[in-house]
Amino acid sequence: DGGITQSPKYLFRKEGQNVTLSCEQNLNHDAMYWYRQDPGQGLRLIYYSQIVNDFQKGDIAEGYSVSREKKESFPLTVTSAQKNPTAFYLCASSIRTGQDEQYFGPGTRLTVT
Amino acid sequence: AQTVTQSQPEMSVQEAETVTLSCTYDTSESDYYLFWYKQPPSRQMILVIRQEAYKQQNATENRFSVNFQKAAKSFSLKISDSQLGDAAMYFCAYRRRRNNDMRFGAGTRLTVKP
Repeated sequence: DGGITQSPKYLFRKEGQNVTLSCEQNLNHDAMYWYRQDPGQGLRLIYYSQIVNDFQKGDIAEGYSVSREKKESFPLTVTSAQKNPTAFYLCASSIRTGQDEQYFGPGTRLTVT
Repeated sequence: AQTVTQSQPEMSVQEAETVTLSCTYDTSESDYYLFWYKQPPSRQMILVIRQEAYKQQNATENRFSVNFQKAAKSFSLKISDSQLGDAAMYFCAYRRRRNNDMRFGAGTRLTVKP
């Protein structure tokens, strides 16, 4: 089946550690996105990538980093510089940027203590 | 900056009845897209319906329809014949046509009573 996978579903880390969240898609989509969701709030864009080896900052990129070495993969690293990393993280993709709707993965719940 | 406002944090509806979720947005653009996404307890975001701003006709997908009022910058979602499976968080979202920056509202939690 085509889709977007995120692993793991739940992730626990100690404060001060970097952690990488996985996002893979087999939809042959060009564009990929990372969002953060906090309770009582909508989704906020962290980073997005339109093509391989290119990515752009979203509204809340500070403390995060990404790479796009392959079309299928767009991993997100939550660094120790992110002050409030505990959140639900959603990855999405779209055929291309602009008008197309985004399709979402199942999300990863990150808890940092 | 574009903002999306959902003024109803929670709504409830009786099974088989109709409910309308509200959404307003602020933009100076004329060419954009609007979306309603559903997030059930599994937290998987699912696209419910989309509307292109240049289309006057309101989008419809089975039991889901929208009332798009461009001048008023309003984009409400109507769910007819509500089912228990419709219970979820619903998010309204806006995106400019040539832009990747999708803006989401804070969401409305819909409860369906049997």
